[in-house]
Amino acid sequence: ETGVTQSPTHLIKTRGQQVTLRCSSQSGHNTVSWYQQALGQGPQFIFQYYREEENGRGNFPPRFSGLQFPNYSSELNVNALELDDSALYLCASSLDVDEQYFGPGTRLTVT
Amino acid sequence: GENVEQHPSTLSVQEGDSAVIKCTYSDSASNYFPWYKQELGKRPQLIIDIRSNVGEKKDQRIAVTLNKTAKHFSLHITETQPEDSAVYFCAVTTSGTYKYIFGTGTRLKVLA
Repeated sequence: ETGVTQSPTHLIKTRGQQVTLRCSSQSGHNTVSWYQQALGQGPQFIFQYYREEENGRGNFPPRFSGLQFPNYSSELNVNALELDDSALYLCASSLDVDEQYFGPGTRLTVT
Repeated sequence: GENVEQHPSTLSVQEGDSAVIKCTYSDSASNYFPWYKQELGKRPQLIIDIRSNVGEKKDQRIAVTLNKTAKHFSLHITETQPEDSAVYFCAVTTSGTYKYIFGTGTRLKVLA
């Protein structure tokens, strides 16, 4: 198992609400990437944080935001939740940008 | 943008047989190609990777081959076992950039 942890494990929210997901990176890693994995699909890149700065973003709307803390842990915030936001949210940590190691994910259900 | 195609989407093999999964990418600047195994309800696990300066890499029963000219790379699993049953994803990235592009996944079933 990797040293990457995520919380919470599961979450149920109502459409229109806001949610914050958390990720603790593996010791020694300075980069955290966030992915959305819909059922039966591959992970889709949301954004990446490198040394507390956003280092790139995928095709997700601005209501998906994040930050990285000095200890390199990270948060993913989603505002105005929609039904289609229901998915497994994965974070992956790495030293610089290669060899990403995934956390166990947070299963978000929006009703 | 970068596009990654993965085939087949499902693959059933008898225990002991070999399995091959192939991915094709579009960006010739791509130079890092990891493979992930994801069991039901679990995190994707990095099982093997290859960089563009190498044509083949092997780790026990798992190997990856890369053809840079044709822009495809393949995962080879020999002597398959029931515990190899999972969904396998390829990914593509360029060192120093920020984004992994994942394939659509291959569901491998190893029949005992």
